[in-house]
Amino acid sequence: AAGVIQSPRHLIKEKRETATLKCYPIPRHDTVYWYQQGPGQDPQFLISFYEKMQSDKGSIPDRFSAQQFSDYHSELNMSSLELGDSALYFCASSPPRDRGMELHFGNGTRLTVT
Amino acid sequence: GQSLEQPSEVTAVEGAIVQINCTYQTSGFYGLSWYQQHDGGAPTFLSYNALDGLEETGRFSSFLSRSDSYGYLLLQELQMKDSASYFCAVREDYGQNFVFGPGTRLSVLP
Repeated sequence: AAGVIQSPRHLIKEKRETATLKCYPIPRHDTVYWYQQGPGQDPQFLISFYEKMQSDKGSIPDRFSAQQFSDYHSELNMSSLELGDSALYFCASSPPRDRGMELHFGNGTRLTVT
Repeated sequence: GQSLEQPSEVTAVEGAIVQINCTYQTSGFYGLSWYQQHDGGAPTFLSYNALDGLEETGRFSSFLSRSDSYGYLLLQELQMKDSASYFCAVREDYGQNFVFGPGTRLSVLP
């Protein structure tokens, strides 16, 4: 079965640089989420899209932005990177209605800011 | 505000049964779901409850009491591979995000 695909798996950037993370949700899933997870921490919600429209916003810095495209893939853009942005970034998608409580995660992008 | 509480660590031996509790305080409630995460891996969906009662999925079961804002994950016939972190997550409404608990680290001993 198809899973959520994220790229790249690993990314190393320097302070003040820009990064773009990509996510391809499971086909026919109607909601896409972005989470940030630091070492030993729970996933922190950043932003979500329902049917390509931004649906909810969490603790996402103003330096970050995201969008979902017509083919349903999503991108998280991160600018003016700081050391504290180093974390695992997960994209997840959920199916519609009856199975809407199932969150399916990609393998994540490990971002290291030096 | 939103808050979820879980025990930080649980230890059990192979073959045993363990229960991981989750209490929540949220302004709305659509459902409670559970995820397993091995070190360095992605969270994996295990089970969810939208209504009160017990949901059974193989060795894993999940329970919900909406009146008590409480749920638990029950793991039976523990195996070494069950050593991982377990997160509960609440969705306040359909279309809204999932709020995760702090996670419970389960260690299964031989």
